[in-house]
Amino acid sequence: QVQLVQSGAEVKKPGASVKVSCKASGYTFTSYYMHWVRQAPGQGLEWMGIINPSGGSTSYAQKFQGRVTMTRDTSTSTVYMELSSLRSEDTAVYYCARGGTLTMVRGVIQAGDYWGQGTLVTVSS
Amino acid sequence: QSVLTQPPSVSGAPGQRVTISCTGSSSNIGAGYDVHWYQQLPGTAPKLLIYGNSNRPSGVPDRFSGSKSGTSASLAITGLQAEDEADYYCQSYDSSLSLWVFGGGTKLTVL
Repeated sequence: QVQLVQSGAEVKKPGASVKVSCKASGYTFTSYYMHWVRQAPGQGLEWMGIINPSGGSTSYAQKFQGRVTMTRDTSTSTVYMELSSLRSEDTAVYYCARGGTLTMVRGVIQAGDYWGQGTLVTVSS
Repeated sequence: QSVLTQPPSVSGAPGQRVTISCTGSSSNIGAGYDVHWYQQLPGTAPKLLIYGNSNRPSGVPDRFSGSKSGTSASLAITGLQAEDEADYYCQSYDSSLSLWVFGGGTKLTVL
């Protein structure tokens, strides 16, 4: 069965960086895109970016350009999302979500069929 | 301000039918891009409910259905049950913004 297991909660000070991991299992890791989405307390869902686990290429939402880096480790089937220069507004639950297949037409915009459990990142001085 | 517009809340009694609308524009839903729907129960991750406008993943009851017309989409829930109480989000692609754009979410209350 497909599973996405994320790393545990983090508390960071303003200006610091955080790196969240998402370990995939139950499918061929390099065959599906992976997205990152965040949700601030009491707010809606916000898309952050996407990574191609096969080649490592990425595309980020304009809002996060320059502050976010998504990487992957194919040996452990894990994707990472690092967000730098943290501020209080970055306090949120961060989710990874499996997207479409790399071979699918418009695979990058297909729905997220499996989601990680979420990682709470708290930014506080 | 979300790219896709949803009503903040809807409600219905058990057994009733409710619909949740999702209004976009000519750069997303109106351009022909698919709409997907997610259900988020309190304290949990979103779960895919409808993909490709009207398709249900395996395991999703047929009480849930989706449709799309023009620049809008709708999620219908029939035979409301207490366990349907959750937040619902629509999602699509916007050619001028980003790969995934979401609605602001709709809180469903089962009376």
